[in-house]
Order: sequence, then C-alpha cells, then structure tokens
Amino acid sequence: EPEVTQTPSHQVTQMGQEVILRCVPISNHLYFYWYRQILGQKVEFLVSFYNNEISEKSEIFDDQFSVERPDGSNFTLKIRSTKLEDSAMYFCASSEDSGTDTQYFGPGTRLTVL
Amino acid sequence: QKEVEQNSGPLSVPEGAIASLNCTYSDRGSQSFFWYRQYSGKSPELIMFIYSNGDKEDGRFTAQLNKASQYVSLLIRDSQPSDSATYLCAVGVEWGNNRLAFGKGNQVVVIP
Repeated sequence: EPEVTQTPSHQVTQMGQEVILRCVPISNHLYFYWYRQILGQKVEFLVSFYNNEISEKSEIFDDQFSVERPDGSNFTLKIRSTKLEDSAMYFCASSEDSGTDTQYFGPGTRLTVL
Repeated sequence: QKEVEQNSGPLSVPEGAIASLNCTYSDRGSQSFFWYRQYSGKSPELIMFIYSNGDKEDGRFTAQLNKASQYVSLLIRDSQPSDSATYLCAVGVEWGNNRLAFGKGNQVVVIP
C-alpha cells in the first residue's frame, strides 16, 4: 500500500540553525501539507501546497518557514533559524484531491532544538 | 471559540465493550469529518471519514454526523486492547479548502 515517507525520523539542532525536513508524498497525490504537533498538544496545520505553490498557510508559518517541491517526488519544509519553540513532531501529509479528500500522514520527524 | 472540541477525559473500557467518543465543531460550513487514531509517538492514522448526516459503519467502527448540532461521534464496538490509543477528530474547515482542524484528542484505554 502506498504511503507517505519522511526523513529524518529525528533531527537534533542548535538554536539558530537551519533545518530541512523531507517528505515523499504518495505518488499520484496532488496536494501536500505540513502539520506539527508539540508534545502533549493538538496537531496544528502549517501549510498546504498545490501546483508548485502555497495554497494556504497558518499564522505559525511565518517568514522563518518555507516549502519547496524540488523535484517530482520530494516535498521539503525548511526552517531558516530554529527557535526552542520549534521543537515538535512535524508531519507531512498528502491527498489525491482537495477539499473533502482524505489526507494521509507520514510517520513524522521529531525536531529537537537545543 | 475553538474550532474542534473533544472534551472528554481518558476513557477506560473493558475488552469487548463499546467505546463512544464525541466531537463538536464551530464552523457550520464544514463539509468533511475524519477520525484518526494516534498511538503514542506515532503519526495520525485514518480510521474513518464521513461527509453526510447519519451513520457510517466500517467494521467495528461507526461514525455519526449531525450537521445541525455540529456534532461528530465515533463508536468502537467489541473494543480490543489494540484499540488503546488517542483518537483525533479532524474537520475540513471549508469546502474546497485543504486545511484540517484537529481536536486535542481523546485517550482510550481498553482493559483486558
């Protein structure tokens, strides 16, 4: 069964450093998403991406964040200058269609900012 | 007002019993509703989706939607120890919009 994959599974970084989280969405899916979940809190939407551009972003997704689809398979989330409060699980998700369609989540990357 | 609320505390059920989970949402225009299961330290795993008022059954799971009351529920019949997890209610915020709004989740513990 096709699945979303993410690398790395765990990333440790120093405050102020840049990190890139990588995702490979399900191959025939057209819509891609990033969510995050701070330990003990709910899953929060960051950004959605379609047709090589951002379709929606939340207030969390400020200028420190960017997304890119550098090739036909990868979808990346970059955090330019990490802060302690960026420590969280970051989930990539993809869906075949927009609107009501089901989003399938990857296994996540645990980001720890020291 | 929170978009999606799941207010119940941890739910302990004996093996074989029915677990009942509830969720309310604030955006009356919401059109799509999902239940995800999340084991500790893992990612959300889709259990069910529902779009229309009424009940939808899939195996041991039944989702119920009442748009007039802005209420979604999940029933787990014949609960198994492997059902012990946190169940997340997620709502597609607007028609044609991609964003899912999640509730904080309800922890279910099935006691053998």
